[in-house]
Amino acid sequence: GAGVSQSPSNKVTEKGKDVELRCDPISGHTALYWYRQSLGQGLEFLIYFQGNSAPDKSGLPSDRFSAERTGGSVSTLTIQRTQQEDSAVYLCASSRTSGTYNEQFFGPGTRLTVL
Amino acid sequence: QKEVEQNSGPLSVPEGAIASLNCTYSDRGSQSFFWYRQYSGKSPELIMSIYSNGDKEDGRFTAQLNKASQYVSLLIRDSQPSDSATYLCAVNNRNTGNQFYFGTGTSLTVIP
Repeated sequence: GAGVSQSPSNKVTEKGKDVELRCDPISGHTALYWYRQSLGQGLEFLIYFQGNSAPDKSGLPSDRFSAERTGGSVSTLTIQRTQQEDSAVYLCASSRTSGTYNEQFFGPGTRLTVL
Repeated sequence: QKEVEQNSGPLSVPEGAIASLNCTYSDRGSQSFFWYRQYSGKSPELIMSIYSNGDKEDGRFTAQLNKASQYVSLLIRDSQPSDSATYLCAVNNRNTGNQFYFGTGTSLTVIP
């Protein structure tokens, strides 16, 4: 079946501009996660959605970052007034939350470059 | 204390040898344990999941879980150059939310 998809695959923007990154999770997966990975670094948790519950925003680095998930499916991560330190690969992942097996699967990522 | 710790490496093994990757975690209530492989410039790919104590084998990969010691490992038998990647350990406890905690990864190089 289809995996997690993300768009765009690459985004180059100028400092101060806003960007929107999109994630389409695996069908039937109620949990959706956003991570950030800077070059040569580990995964940095940003935000987590589970079903209709309030999202866990504990990883968002500043109030310039926000995310929403509409209809329990597609999610959009928005970064306002981008800064050069926002340059990274933004990864989305999804998982089931019911049943024994809750493997998390990643999308291909969006590479964001802020000039 | 980090939730999940891995030796960052780099770990180098000759082709055909066994590569052993280790991970410890701090949350004793963790229930789900995962190994991901990440090639340079790519996103993490799930290669093994384990939920109960003991060994789980899948092809050349064996995951080992010891909850009493809070330790999970990944063995790669007959290592191939194509196994050269960074391996991420991840841990999950659904009783305290459904976050996945990742280690920083171990870089593995298999030398032909």
